[in-house]
Amino acid sequence: DTGVSQNPRHKITKRGQNVTFRCDPISEHNRLYWYRQTLGQGPEFLTYFQNEAQLEKSRLLSDRFSAERPKGSFSTLEIQRTEQGDSAMYLCASSLDRTEAFFGQGTRLTVV
Amino acid sequence: AQSVTQPDIHITVSEGASLELRCNYSYGATPYLFWYVQSPGQGLQLLLKYFSGDTLVQGIKGFEAEFKRSQSSFNLRKPSVHWSDAAEYFCAVGAGFGNEKLTFGTGTRLTIIP
Repeated sequence: DTGVSQNPRHKITKRGQNVTFRCDPISEHNRLYWYRQTLGQGPEFLTYFQNEAQLEKSRLLSDRFSAERPKGSFSTLEIQRTEQGDSAMYLCASSLDRTEAFFGQGTRLTVV
Repeated sequence: AQSVTQPDIHITVSEGASLELRCNYSYGATPYLFWYVQSPGQGLQLLLKYFSGDTLVQGIKGFEAEFKRSQSSFNLRKPSVHWSDAAEYFCAVGAGFGNEKLTFGTGTRLTIIP
């Protein structure tokens, strides 16, 4: 068990560019969550998957954001036409059903 | 909608002293409550959780928390802090049946002085 893995750890991009982050959950976990954390704030829920089905999306997830979990294993979070307000830490977590959610170390996005 | 308030943004405690971090929640049904710790640049680690049953829950690293429904509180305590406890602490409430869609507080930053 290597824990939840997120790549890249850091990403700097120019405004208007597209970025994609990857999350590899703990292998037997069927649920996967995405959160966003801005400086000085707690994480905010974005979306979650049960296996490959995306069951809920926050209103924070604008049309520029899309998340997928095509085979019920790893997940990707894509942000199109990035804006400076997208700068944040993007956290992924996974769990086996409703048991404890384990968080990855996050991807820190800086939009310049 | 659920919400969490952590009234203390920053707390400084001497090493060896006791600690209490406050958390108040708002949720219409039986809450599922969590405390997480985050070290700089790191993800979140679960310290403890309350789903039901005994209102005093024990967690890792010597932490405990008490659920008080009448006060809508879930305060975190530790009898004697160590320098390694310096970190950011987040209280969270879960919607639905557990850990879906956690709502976090804004966090309390803990500084330990020698």
